[in-house]
Order: sequence, then structure tokens, then C-alpha cells
Amino acid sequence: DQQVKQNSPSLSVQEGRISILNCDYTNSMFDYFLWYKKYPAEGPTFLISISSIKDKNEDGRFTVFLNKSAKHLSLHIVPSQPGDSAVYFCAASFQGGSEKLVFGKGMKLTVNP
Amino acid sequence: DAGITQSPRHKVTETGTPVTLRCHQTENHRYMYWYRQDPGHGLRLIHYSYGVKDTDKGEVSDGYSVSRSKTEDFLLTLESATSSQTSVYFCATESRDKAKNQPQHFGDGTRLSIL
Repeated sequence: DQQVKQNSPSLSVQEGRISILNCDYTNSMFDYFLWYKKYPAEGPTFLISISSIKDKNEDGRFTVFLNKSAKHLSLHIVPSQPGDSAVYFCAASFQGGSEKLVFGKGMKLTVNP
Repeated sequence: DAGITQSPRHKVTETGTPVTLRCHQTENHRYMYWYRQDPGHGLRLIHYSYGVKDTDKGEVSDGYSVSRSKTEDFLLTLESATSSQTSVYFCATESRDKAKNQPQHFGDGTRLSIL
């Protein structure tokens, strides 16, 4: 039973355009959501997060939107750069004790020059 | 990131042999985690620790054990390695001392191949 879903395995965009990465979740108890970026042969790097009390969080070129009623979040990257090419993981947790993260399967983003 | 070192970075071993992976952190973070990453599965939690000698199981803990005798070290042991444990293993740490909702920070991984 996959609680965090990234249904599109890959996305290709042109440099300078917007990249939109989507994530759906099933557990309504989740209240903290994160995005990680991963380059080959490296560990995941924290990118941006959002608490369930908010519907938007912005950090430079990166914005995460949360729609609790739809159990959906998205990551917007504007403008996209070739260095953004990586695998992006969506993750979620809830304040139920251990706050373990549940990860999606990841999406490979390719930004073409 | 967050002073996390995993060792070894690569290992090839045979089925049935014991294997121990080490995670060392210099940030004095209370929480430490072991994940495995496999194609089509994302990252899955194996075991985690919420303090010295305090550990608990994650989603895919069968065949693995852990130990944490010091704050800075978290060991993952495969008592008798199987080919299904071929994977990339990541260690992560988390502070959670000053506020809730702190992100986990990851090491660069150990690529383990079991033949």
C-alpha cells in the first residue's frame, strides 16, 4: 500500500521554463511534507518543505503547494536550469510519535539547455 | 551534508556472509535512520534510532539488525546476506532538538552487491 505516490516517473523541460512535479498521498494523518533532490552517486538533499497548516511555501526558484482536500502537493521550479536535472523525491510524515518519513518512488527531471 | 559519513562506500560480498555498514555523524543529532533505495521503490526505512541504545524497526527490517552505542555511530548489520539485500543504503540524521519539523539529512550512501 503506497501512501505517497509520484505517478510520473520522468519529466523533461526546456531551460528557463517551469517544471511542475506532482505528488499524491493517501494518509490524511500526514502533516509535514518535504521534497528532496538526488544526483547520481550522492545522497538525497533536502530542498523544501511545507507544514499542513500552510498551503504554499516559497524558497527562491522553488515553491511547494499543498492541497489538503485533494491530498496533493506539487513542486514548481521557475525558471528551470540544467543543474536542476536530478531525481526528486516527495516525502511525508505525521506527528504520531517517531515522525518517520514515507517516500514516493521518485521522478527524474531533465532540463534541456 | 550534516557531517554524515558512510563506510564503506562500495562493497561486494557473497551470499551468507555477515556485513556491517557504518554511519558516523559529527552533528550530535539524536535521531538516525537507515534506508535502502531500490528501483521502483524509492527509499524505504529499515531501522531507526531515537537515542543511544534506543532503536526501532522500520518498514523493511527483516534480515537486518542495528546498534547504537554512541550518539555519533549507527551500525547496520546483515547477519547472513542474501541477494535480495543488494541495494544502495542511505543513512540519515535529524536533530529535532530545537523545533519540530526538521528535515532529515542524508549521507552519500553505500552500494552493496551480494553475489
